[in-house]
Amino acid sequence: AQSVSQHNHHVILSEAASLELGCNYSYGGTVNLFWYVQYPGQHLQLLLKYFSGDPLVKGIKGFEAEFIKSKFSFNLRKPSVQWSDTAEYFCAVNTNAGKSTFGDGTTLTVKP
Amino acid sequence: EAQVTQNPRYLITVTGKKLTVTCSQNMNHEYMSWYRQDPGLGLRQIYYSMNVEVTDKGDVPEGYKVSRKEKRNFPLILESPSPNQTSLYFCASSQTGWGSDTQYFGPGTRLTVL
Repeated sequence: AQSVSQHNHHVILSEAASLELGCNYSYGGTVNLFWYVQYPGQHLQLLLKYFSGDPLVKGIKGFEAEFIKSKFSFNLRKPSVQWSDTAEYFCAVNTNAGKSTFGDGTTLTVKP
Repeated sequence: EAQVTQNPRYLITVTGKKLTVTCSQNMNHEYMSWYRQDPGLGLRQIYYSMNVEVTDKGDVPEGYKVSRKEKRNFPLILESPSPNQTSLYFCASSQTGWGSDTQYFGPGTRLTVL
C-alpha cells in the first residue's frame, strides 16, 4: 500500500520569502506524483505533476518540484512567495490502477 | 464549461437517515472517485470507478456505497449515516484513471450528521 507524508502542517512566511514544502512517499510501483492546491473557497486544482522524464518539473504560478527517487521525495519549491499563494497544499501519489493517496496537507499563510 | 458538479453543497441530517450525494462530470471522463477531507487527515479515497459498472474500494469505504450506471454520474450513498461520517466530501474525475492523469475536483459537499 502506498502512503504520503507531508512534514509541515502549517507554514507561515512573509512575502518574497522562499518556500519549500516537504513530501515523502512510500510505494513500490511506478510513481505518479502530484501537488494540488486548494485556495480559500476554491476547488482543488493541479499545481504540477511528475510521472516520467526530467525529475525537475515546473508548474503554474512559478512553482516547481523535484523528484528524488533515492530519497522517495517530491518537495515543492517557490523562490519568492506572494500573498496570493496562501492556500492548502496537498502532495499525492497515484497508482496505475486507480488508487490515489494524498498527504495530510500543508496550510501556507503568507503575510503581506 | 468543463466541470465536476456535486449536490447538495451543504447537508445536515440525522443518524440513520439514508442520503445520496450526486456527482456529475461533463468531460466524458472514464475515471471518477470520491474522497473525504477531515482536519489533519488530508483527503482519503472512499471509492473509485475506472469505467461504467466498474467500482473499487479506496482506503475508507466502510459505511458508503457507490454506483456507476452512466459515465457522467457517480453518486455516493450513505445508507445509514453516523456522526463519524461528518466530513467534507469531494468528487473527482480524470480522463482514463491512468496514474499520470490529472484529477479534476468538484466544489465539495459539507455533510453534518447529528
